Amino acid sequence: LAKTTQPISMDSYEGQEVNITCSHNNIATNDYITWYQQFPSQGPRFIIQGYKTKVTNEVASLFIPADRKSSTLSLPRVSLSDTAVYYCLVGDRGYGGSQGNLIFGKGTKLSVKP
Amino acid sequence: DAGVIQSPRHEVTEMGQEVTLRCKPISGHDYLFWYRQTMMRGLELLIYFNNNVPIDDSGMPEDRFSAKMPNASFSTLKIQPSEPRDSAVYFCASSFSMSPLHFGNGTRLTVT
Repeated sequence: LAKTTQPISMDSYEGQEVNITCSHNNIATNDYITWYQQFPSQGPRFIIQGYKTKVTNEVASLFIPADRKSSTLSLPRVSLSDTAVYYCLVGDRGYGGSQGNLIFGKGTKLSVKP
Repeated sequence: DAGVIQSPRHEVTEMGQEVTLRCKPISGHDYLFWYRQTMMRGLELLIYFNNNVPIDDSGMPEDRFSAKMPNASFSTLKIQPSEPRDSAVYFCASSFSMSPLHFGNGTRLTVT
């Protein structure tokens, strides 16, 4: 089971780009990296998933270096509504193996200020 | 798509009472998960089902907790008897095959 390490909290201001890095030194060959976002009083919501290099969607970008021992979630030009907890999960895409893609740590609490 | 629906949104009960939490997954999803979230322990996976069959219940804290999925559109998590330390937000999530999880908005349980 690939253990993930993320900062407990981060502060930013509106309009800035925010990068949240997740370390996963013992990531396995079959593991994917998945990020979720959780607002207060809501369940987590899937943001983005990737295996290597770069993935981009309408919400965020995910950068994964060649060694895959870390990944960076990039949120462009954040707004107050991006204040949330962000979770990094690492595991194979099925649920019968390591289940790393089902294990949520404490996440990173992002606070965006005006 | 209505998403994952959980009921009730809030539940307040006294210690020793039975509590039943309910979940309706997204139609067509074949996996269903129950999580518990507290400040101290974060999000913990309790149990999950595949095609209505429990696959892994190793996260269920003790025998007071039980979960069922009688059909593809309904699941329950029951706590009997409830204790104050069970106070938490309980989330249900569903997914199709190996896709990411879709969570409900949770049930906030308070046991006094």
